[in-house]
Amino acid sequence: KAGVTQTPRYLIKTRGQQVTLSCSPISGHRSVSWYQQTPGQGLQFLFEYFSETQRNKGNFPGRFSGRQFSNSRSEMNVSTLELGDSALYLCASSPGLALYNEQFFGPGTRLTVL
Amino acid sequence: DAKTTQPPSMDCAEGRAANLPCNHSTISGNEYVYWYRQIHSQGPQYIIHGLKNNETNEMASLIITEDRKSSTLILPHATLRDTAVYYCIVSVRDDKIIFGKGTRLHILP
Repeated sequence: KAGVTQTPRYLIKTRGQQVTLSCSPISGHRSVSWYQQTPGQGLQFLFEYFSETQRNKGNFPGRFSGRQFSNSRSEMNVSTLELGDSALYLCASSPGLALYNEQFFGPGTRLTVL
Repeated sequence: DAKTTQPPSMDCAEGRAANLPCNHSTISGNEYVYWYRQIHSQGPQYIIHGLKNNETNEMASLIITEDRKSSTLILPHATLRDTAVYYCIVSVRDDKIIFGKGTRLHILP
């Protein structure tokens, strides 16, 4: 069974631009969660989608948004990029809600904002 | 804030058992304890989870105290490939997964 895939793997943007990251979960998994990882803050939860609905959201500004499609694939969008948004963005899928299931992580998208 | 407390770093000799502690004193009755690890530049990898009974799989053992306020992850025969950051996670009431800072485990040859 194929693992979680994320595209693109690397991205360079400039301040003020917007970016869309994509995540394809493991087949059959209905939950997709997104995390931001930086050296200073560690792994921080962004949001979780389950059956196309955002189930919960971490403490991030409204510039961070996401969605999930009927095939469980998910995208996250960051608008008006800031230098501090430079990070590794990880997505994880699980068969059911992340609270009660093992999460499988993708390799991440490394975003650099210049 | 993370609901777990872990030492920031630990050393273990190769071939010996690595015992990684985690305190979760405010855990509630229906919250699971999960362990993940992250090897440099890779996404986190699930290791094991448990509710109140000790658990064992091909990677590790999880020992949870009777009062459930702490747990220990045991890697029975550590190898250099086990060098990673280990995260102990307890699900939180507002349904957000919080990873915390984890323990950086160094396996010494």
